[in-house]
Amino acid sequence: KAGVTQTPRYLIKTRGQQVTLSCSPISGHRSVSWYQQTPGQGLQFLFEYFSETQRNKGNFPGRFSGRQFSNSRSEMNVSTLELGDSALYLCASSSRSYEQYFGPGTRLTVT
Amino acid sequence: AQTVTQSQPEMSVQEAETVTLSCTYDTSESNYYLFWYKQPPSRQMILVIRQEAYKQQNATENRFSVNFQKAAKSFSLKISDSQLGDTAMYFCAFMAYQTGANNLFFGTGTRLTVIP
Repeated sequence: KAGVTQTPRYLIKTRGQQVTLSCSPISGHRSVSWYQQTPGQGLQFLFEYFSETQRNKGNFPGRFSGRQFSNSRSEMNVSTLELGDSALYLCASSSRSYEQYFGPGTRLTVT
Repeated sequence: AQTVTQSQPEMSVQEAETVTLSCTYDTSESNYYLFWYKQPPSRQMILVIRQEAYKQQNATENRFSVNFQKAAKSFSLKISDSQLGDTAMYFCAFMAYQTGANNLFFGTGTRLTVIP
């Protein structure tokens, strides 16, 4: 099976702009979770989608949002970008086994 | 709330030797999973091993094994016969066993360097 894919791999944006990141899960996986990784805060959970519904949400401001499509692909959106949003954004998919399989990540740089 | 603590920011080991990475956690949950993930320089997060809290037997995956001490809330990773490809950041992670709570809590990581 193909692994989790994320696009784009690298992105440079300016403060105040918005950005959309995409994640395609492993075939058959219905759960998609998003994580933010920064040197200062480490790995933090953003949100999880299951069957097109947000099932769980971390402690992030409303500027961070997401959605999931009927084919389980997911997107996350960050509006009004701030310098502190610069991070590696990781997507993970899982089936019922609770094992999460991660994609290669999207490196977002906000200038 | 769950917390995961990795007290060793960096470790090194000679190739072919054995190394143990430490992890402690705090939770009020009775049912949960524990994981070790590896993140090499490529930044791809790779699942190394998983342990269900209700299982007393320690998980093993080839050269990787864990020492799970539930009462002490300790979950260490032992890597035997270390290889150069084991050089990476290692993250300990916790997940509560709840329907609709499929999120991981990560520790701060241990950077492991395998020395030739």
